[in-house]
Amino acid sequence: GAVVSQHPSWVICKSGTSVKIECRSLDFQATTMFWYRQFPKQSLMLMATSNEGSKATYEQGVEKDKFLINHASLTLSTLTVTSAHPEDSSFYICSALPLGGKITQYFGPGTRLLVL
Amino acid sequence: KNQVEQSPQSLIILEGKNCTLQCNYTVSPFSNLRWYKQDTGRGPVSLTIMTFSENTKSNGRYTATLDADTKQSSLHITASQLSDSASYICVVSAFTGNQFYFGTGTSLTVIP
Repeated sequence: GAVVSQHPSWVICKSGTSVKIECRSLDFQATTMFWYRQFPKQSLMLMATSNEGSKATYEQGVEKDKFLINHASLTLSTLTVTSAHPEDSSFYICSALPLGGKITQYFGPGTRLLVL
Repeated sequence: KNQVEQSPQSLIILEGKNCTLQCNYTVSPFSNLRWYKQDTGRGPVSLTIMTFSENTKSNGRYTATLDADTKQSSLHITASQLSDSASYICVVSAFTGNQFYFGTGTSLTVIP
């Protein structure tokens, strides 16, 4: 149980285009999902906390107009990288916090984004 | 200040040998501590989770310990395999506001 999926697993796009990444909790409901960014050989960096039915909370230094987050249901959150540039190339990972139970999070497999 | 520190930063061991990774934290109020394994290019996968009252938790060749008094945890890997090569991340959660604090990870390389 407690499986989180991400789609796509990798994406290559041209500079200036927008890219949407989906994060789904497959067998549990999650009112809270997190979006992370990870550069090579570095730890995960929290970008934003996504709460179902409300606006996301962004970490300091993360542009909310560039990284649009929508959490429309208890099993789906999306991250849209708008007008992507090469410096946005990174590994994006989501995680989901199950309703109830221990305070813990389950991670998705990640999405590799390459902006040319 | 809530912090999680891991050591060593990187480690190289021979296949078949044992190793121990360390995690020290100052997170309060403490809820639980998880060890994750992250293979290159993949999302973290949970190995163990421990709450305040648990001192040790095993998952196959992985054994985690927790000393809530000294706020230290360790992850012991027995009879290492090449597939153990990965980054190991210690994550401590607090009771307040679903806060999670990440260690910087230990990069383990197992060589034949």
